[in-house]
Amino acid sequence: TQLLEQSPQFLSIQEGENLTVYCNSSSVFSSLQWYRQEPGEGPVLLVTVVTDGEVKKLKRLTFQFGDARKDSSLHITAAQPGDTGLYLCADYNNAGNMLTFGGGTRLMVKP
Amino acid sequence: DTEVTQTPKHLVMGMTNKKSLKCEQHMGHRAMYWYKQKAKKPPELMFVYSYEKLSINESVPSRFSPECPNSSLLNLHLHALQPEDSALYLCASSHTGGRTPLHFGNGTRLTVT
Repeated sequence: TQLLEQSPQFLSIQEGENLTVYCNSSSVFSSLQWYRQEPGEGPVLLVTVVTDGEVKKLKRLTFQFGDARKDSSLHITAAQPGDTGLYLCADYNNAGNMLTFGGGTRLMVKP
Repeated sequence: DTEVTQTPKHLVMGMTNKKSLKCEQHMGHRAMYWYKQKAKKPPELMFVYSYEKLSINESVPSRFSPECPNSSLLNLHLHALQPEDSALYLCASSHTGGRTPLHFGNGTRLTVT
């Protein structure tokens, strides 16, 4: 069974700071998805990364997929209070029918 | 607004009650999911339906009974729950075939007293 570990578990920063959160897998990712879950809502997909070493940008968010396909990072530049939420990485099993989530990083951005 | 609609948003039930959670999507997705999320934890998969057939049951106790009446609807019937079953229950849908993203509803916050 694949294990996804995210770090840090919790992060509290001031508005305008930069941050990076990480997702590491016990086995090779098939295709990694990043979700954000805001309080009182369901998770929402941010990005899917599928290619070794891939970098994707979504406004102030930069996602990187490791060359060995066992790690990924999410970097946020100039964080804003609206970035507050639970950031989850997720991957499918080999059969492609079960999406499993990492433990999440809970981010709080203070004004 | 999410394209996956879950009702009710909040539910309080006693341990002897029978209740149902409902989920609806009109995106033409043929895979639907139930996840359970405890406070400060990630969502945990409970059931997967593919083309209205149950394809995965993650060893969920029988007091949780899923039902997929048609491709747009997914229900979760609850009976004789325990207080530790209190959680946020999330429904999701996706296209089948390939590792496609999930579209989640905003969940039902369930409290068992």
